[in-house]
Formats: sequence, C-alpha cells, structure tokens
Amino acid sequence: EAQVTQNPRYLITVTGKKLTVTCSQNMNHEYMSWYRQDPGLGLRQIYYSMNVEVTDKGDVPEGYKVSRKEKRNFPLILESPSPNQTSLYFCASSPYQGGSNEQFFGPGTRLTVL
Amino acid sequence: RKEVEQDPGPFNVPEGATVAFNCTYSNSASQSFFWYRQDCRKEPKLLMSVYSSGNEDGRFTAQLNRASQYISLLIRDSKLSDSATYLCVVNIVGGSYIPTFGRGTSLIVHP
Repeated sequence: EAQVTQNPRYLITVTGKKLTVTCSQNMNHEYMSWYRQDPGLGLRQIYYSMNVEVTDKGDVPEGYKVSRKEKRNFPLILESPSPNQTSLYFCASSPYQGGSNEQFFGPGTRLTVL
Repeated sequence: RKEVEQDPGPFNVPEGATVAFNCTYSNSASQSFFWYRQDCRKEPKLLMSVYSSGNEDGRFTAQLNRASQYISLLIRDSKLSDSATYLCVVNIVGGSYIPTFGRGTSLIVHP
C-alpha cells in the first residue's frame, strides 16, 4: 500500500531532551516536507526537500533540523525541544519537484513538550 | 511569501444544502491550486485540484478566478459525511516549491 508513515504517533517529552520523528514514504517521491499545525494558524511548513541531500527552510524552521540521506526517509530532529514546539506534526511527500502535484500526508505526530 | 485567506466558519448547514467556500490568494505568481479535506486533526487529503477552466467531481465543483485571485469550492446536496475542514492550497512554482495553506474552513452538516 502506498503510504507515508510517521513515528511516533504520540510523544510527550521534557524541555531540552533531543528527539527525532521519523518519516518514510514508499512511493519513490522526490519531494518531502514537514509541517506543523496549530489551532488558528493552520499548516505551516517547517522544512522541505526537493531530493536526496537537498533540503531547505520553510516558513518556521527555527528549532528544527532535517536530513535527507535516502529518498524514502526524511526525519525531523528537535535538538532541544521547548514548550512552544508542542504541536501536531505532519510529514508529506509529492512525486515531482515541479510542485504542481498532490501531496500525500502521513498520519501525524502529536508532540507535547513539558 | 504572501498569504492565502479563508473564512474559518464554521458553516453550519442542513443536509441537502448547497454551500460554497472561497479562498483568496495575494501572490499573482501562484500557479497551482488545490482543495484538501481534513477530518478532526487527521491528515489532510486531496479533495480536488483546481484547473483554470473549472472542474467538477460529483457533488463538488472547483473554480479559479485568476483576475480576482480567488478559488472556490461548491458542494451540492451536502451529506453528513461532508462535515470536515476544507483547506485551500496555493503553490508558487519556480525556483522552489513551497505550498501555502489557508487556515481552513470548517463545515458542519446537520440532519
């Protein structure tokens, strides 16, 4: 089944404890991205990647890191999480760099930073 | 990057009603447009792309007005299962690809 998977789905952590949220897609998509969704603010892009080893900042990259060593994986790293990073996170992938195509979203990761 | 704006609603309509949402965008370089549906904090899923000539998929009709810089979604014969949040997405395609999401319009269809 074609899909985007994220792990963990739910995470409660404490301020300053490094964490990684994994994202993997099995559709051989070139484009992958991370979003956070907060009440009243909608979906905001954190980072995106046009292909392996190519990443760039989205709208709200502060406090996050990403890497794209393989086409299928695009982990999101919070080196020192803070309470304002409590949010619902979505990973997404899309087949073309051109950007005119549908994005496929993972099921989401609900993160709480205490 | 400029914003994409939607009326957050909620639009509260009876079953069978026709309801329309608009979404305005401010960047004239925007090149592709979509409507996504999101159920209660689940992942967004593509409802339909929006083409310049307008397009229809069953009870759903999407239209694009480039001159006035808005897209619209019309839902006819609303069903209870249409209750969700509808997200407008605008892509500016060029050197980079950063889709811009509206904040969503909430639709509640009641019996």
